[in-house]
Order: sequence, then C-alpha cells, then structure tokens
Amino acid sequence: AQKITQTQPGMFVQEKEAVTLDCTYDTSDPSYGLFWYKQPSSGEMIFLIYQGSYDQQNATEGRYSLNFQKARKSANLVISASQLGDSAMYFCAMREGKGTGFQKLVFGTGTRLLVSP
Amino acid sequence: DAGVIQSPRHEVTEMGQEVTLRCKPISGHDYLFWYRQTMMRGLELLIYFNNNVPIDDSGMPEDRFSAKMPNASFSTLKIQPSEPRDSAVYFCASSRRGGLGEKLFFGSGTQLSVL
Repeated sequence: AQKITQTQPGMFVQEKEAVTLDCTYDTSDPSYGLFWYKQPSSGEMIFLIYQGSYDQQNATEGRYSLNFQKARKSANLVISASQLGDSAMYFCAMREGKGTGFQKLVFGTGTRLLVSP
Repeated sequence: DAGVIQSPRHEVTEMGQEVTLRCKPISGHDYLFWYRQTMMRGLELLIYFNNNVPIDDSGMPEDRFSAKMPNASFSTLKIQPSEPRDSAVYFCASSRRGGLGEKLFFGSGTQLSVL
C-alpha cells in the first residue's frame, strides 16, 4: 500500500492567489513526521516545512503552511500569495517513528504546480 | 555554508561502462543517503550510511550497484556495468542526526543517461 498519496499530478494557480496541494498518508504508528519538499526545474530538492504527529499547531514557514488533519490522515500544503517562482514539483514525504533506530523518509509521487501571471 | 555537493552534474555513458557518482555531505552530518529519481518509480532510497557505515542497502536494485563512504566527507555510488534502465537522476542527501523531524539536505543531483 502507498504510504504517501498525492492525487494531483498537476495544479494551476494565478499569481497572488493561494493554492492547496493535497497529501494523504497511511500509517498505524502514532509517532511520525511529515515533510514537504520543492523541486524547481533546476532539479534540486528544497525542504519547505515539517509537521510532527504530536505537534498541537499546524506548521507555518513564511508563505507555506501545513493543513494537518490527523483524523483524516492528510497533510496538505497551502501556499499563500503564489509567485511565479513557486512553479515547481512539490513532494510530500513521511517518516514513521516506530521502533528504535532510524526510519527512512518515504516520498509521494509529487504534484507539479504552475503559477501563471 | 556549503550544501551537499555532487559530481558530475550530468553523465552520459554507454551501456556496459562503469559509472561513478560522487558526493560530499554537509560537514557535521552523520547520515548520508543515496536516492534515485525516475518518472516511473519516483524517489527511491537506495542506501544510507550512519557515521560512514552502511546501514540499509535494501533499496540497491542489483549487485551492479555499490556504494562506499571511506570517510565522513566523501561517498561514491558505483554502477558496473551500467544499463539503459539505470538512466535516472541520482541524489545524495545528508542529515545531521536520525531523529523523527530531521530534515534531509539534498545535493543538486546527477543526471545519468546510459545509451
């Protein structure tokens, strides 16, 4: 079963508008972490935001916020006031905390965001 | 501070040739990861190291793939012999520790094309 599901292969938004990129996850572990990364056309992977399963508040980093709905197992990324430079692939990822030792980061398939003027 | 440095940025080779990808992690980071990105399979973890020791290589696709980390500042991923299906972007990433919220810092990737 997919651990991380991103159902939107592509999204379009106009500059200055807000956009939500969907991410649902599957885990039975009560302790886990959720990440969002951005991959612009230049190829590098850039960390955007992190949410821990026990965090009481939704994470925010500048124009990025994470709409964390634990019961629904969703961790949607909200980008406010979109800019042309936000055009990129966006990946949701999860790390489970089960057991001792390191758990690997598992990535979703990504959503391509295109911001138009 | 310098980020994760990968070389080469692009590699074009012929089937059967040996390919070596290189990575310098961020200084002070204890964990190093090799990922492969393809359209079909997305981002896959191939192998990771903790304090230069390989911990989990279950993602390495075949014996043709090998990875080493001779010291804290250098790692290689080698493919011998290379095949067209190895064509992908290979990322190296590092993290300071292995905690739940520990983020990975990625290099710019190596675009490998095997003809």
